[in-house]
Amino acid sequence: EADIYQTPRYLVIGTGKKITLECSQTMGHDKMYWYQQDPGMELHLIHYSYGVNSTEKGDLSSESTVSRIRTEHFPLTLESARPSHTSQYLCASSDRGGLASTDTQYFGPGTRLTVL
Amino acid sequence: SQQGEEDPQALSIQEGENATMNCSYKTSINNLQWYRQNSGRGLVHLILIRSNEREKHSGRLRVTLDTSKKSSSLLITASRAADTASYFCATGGSARQLTFGSGTQLTVLP
Repeated sequence: EADIYQTPRYLVIGTGKKITLECSQTMGHDKMYWYQQDPGMELHLIHYSYGVNSTEKGDLSSESTVSRIRTEHFPLTLESARPSHTSQYLCASSDRGGLASTDTQYFGPGTRLTVL
Repeated sequence: SQQGEEDPQALSIQEGENATMNCSYKTSINNLQWYRQNSGRGLVHLILIRSNEREKHSGRLRVTLDTSKKSSSLLITASRAADTASYFCATGGSARQLTFGSGTQLTVLP
């Protein structure tokens, strides 16, 4: 099992609420990622970070925001949740490595978000 | 568009049979990785093959890579009901990120 944690595992919330999905890892990895995945579908990268104070948007546009104040922590925030945000959110991390790095990613268990 | 495309999208086999899943990609890669995802869980890394390798084994898993055809296959031998999961290929390249395919849903019937 990878040392990467996500809380909560399940969240059901009403429209308009602000939510923060937590992700933390104890592997000292520099790179961290957030993916959005609908049931049975592919993963879409929505945010990534290569280190503290570094955040970038991924391939899929998302209304969420992220922060990376500490190496081990990469929370995702939705200021005003909507039903269209209902999905599973997966956090992952990988080691920076050198030129030979394989970028193998270690995933958390995911947060299943339902917005009513 | 996704870099990797898995084929088939879904596969059902009997316990004990072999399962083969294929992955095609579009651009040059440094390595190709296969991940497994149980329903409602995160992905777990299974095996990695570098671009200068053609075949790799890990337990009941066998991965092949054909860079000329930009394709890879994952073979699971002597499948078990516990192998039921979604399997994703992911390509690593110069962008230093992984790009995941759309996945194959494998069901192993007891």
